[in-house]
Amino acid sequence: RKEVEQDPGPFNVPEGATVAFNCTYSNSASQSFFWYRQDCRKEPKLLMSVYSSGNEDGRFTAQLNRASQYISLLIRDSKLSDSATYLCAVNIGLNGGSQGNLIFGKGTKLSVKP
Amino acid sequence: DVKVTQSSRYLVKRTGEKVFLECVQDMDHENMFWYRQDPGLGLRLIYFSYDVKMKEKGDIPEGYSVSREKKERFSLILESTSTNQTSMYLCASSLRVQETQYFGPGTRLLVL
Repeated sequence: RKEVEQDPGPFNVPEGATVAFNCTYSNSASQSFFWYRQDCRKEPKLLMSVYSSGNEDGRFTAQLNRASQYISLLIRDSKLSDSATYLCAVNIGLNGGSQGNLIFGKGTKLSVKP
Repeated sequence: DVKVTQSSRYLVKRTGEKVFLECVQDMDHENMFWYRQDPGLGLRLIYFSYDVKMKEKGDIPEGYSVSREKKERFSLILESTSTNQTSMYLCASSLRVQETQYFGPGTRLLVL
């Protein structure tokens, strides 16, 4: 099983739709979880951290399911400008050193259509 | 705001040439990383550094070396480029290992 997995998509949705992405991780000891957004030919930018209790930022909601080892990102009322690739990132261990590094998923592509 | 800058946005090199990519961060971050990103392969870690003069190999270090002489600066060196090193190179930094990484704008390298 790969350490961090995402459905590559693409997810093609109409404006105003609600869309959700999942990201599964293999290491049950992982403690840090993030969602990044990457526009075409640009660098990844932090969208939001994912906390145990879940967190919301406007139209975006991130949740963590430790039992099933996945994180999710929900986008409500999709806008054309939400079209991008969404990467999840998970740390791979508790310890310092290389075991604490973030591992990035390959990303899920979202295309919001008029 | 964290700022990570990279020395070049686009580079075109011929096979066998030496390439030096520089990354600078202005937030006094301990950790710095070099990735390459290719379609379908995602971000792959080349090297990382937890402190000045310290470096560790990532998943794909072959053909690359790094240098960290100052805390804010992390350089990626391709001693003799090959066509399979054509890629997008991204530098990142973080305050602590498990925390958010902030990326530079990337360097698109084309090796002919």
